[in-house]
Amino acid sequence: GQQLNQSPQSMFIQEGEDVSMNCTSSSIFNTWLWYKQDPGEGPVLLIALYKAGELTSNGRLTAQFGITRKDSFLNISASIPSDVGIYFCAGQPLNAGNNRKLIWGLGTSLAVNP
Amino acid sequence: DSGVTQTPKHLITATGQRVTLRCSPRSGDLSVYWYQQSLDQGLQFLIQYYNGEERAKGNILERFSAQQFPDLHSELNLSSLELGDSALYFCASSVDRVQETQYFGPGTRLLVL
Repeated sequence: GQQLNQSPQSMFIQEGEDVSMNCTSSSIFNTWLWYKQDPGEGPVLLIALYKAGELTSNGRLTAQFGITRKDSFLNISASIPSDVGIYFCAGQPLNAGNNRKLIWGLGTSLAVNP
Repeated sequence: DSGVTQTPKHLITATGQRVTLRCSPRSGDLSVYWYQQSLDQGLQFLIQYYNGEERAKGNILERFSAQQFPDLHSELNLSSLELGDSALYFCASSVDRVQETQYFGPGTRLLVL
């Protein structure tokens, strides 16, 4: 099935560094969601985006709905050890009709060195 | 706490067996989704129910089935289990039938020996 291209696949950074990750699609999306999954836990919704160009923050996290509607970005500023986990993007294609399933990326695994 | 509950948290069983995983959605949510996540894999959407009816199907095997009851809780039945079915199984819920803004439960870790 359709999947989003999420990159990078993994990141290993020093505490205090900023992090950027992105998600791209070949088709236009009308919704972008960013989730974080801690080891052994369920994904937790971080940020939801509903309009092209929308920029939304949640603490040190900022996500943007790309102008082309085919991509989205998540930035984490001043990373801390508890940012460790897998970050998933998910989106809903614009012209999905009745088949309005969420499409998921494969995740970006983030490791933070204290 | 997302408000979505799943039981059991862990399940160990043998090949060929059948198990049932249970999920209670957040209060007020009508849609329930089931996902499978194998080791180092992304989330694989299995199936969605909305207000008691099947709404969407993903990569769900014929050996697997689900249902949503009048009180909106859902069960995922896995039968003729194979070693490769070992995975985390997540339930998520949302307010309506549109698959967005889903809230996930803590998952059931299934180990098939």
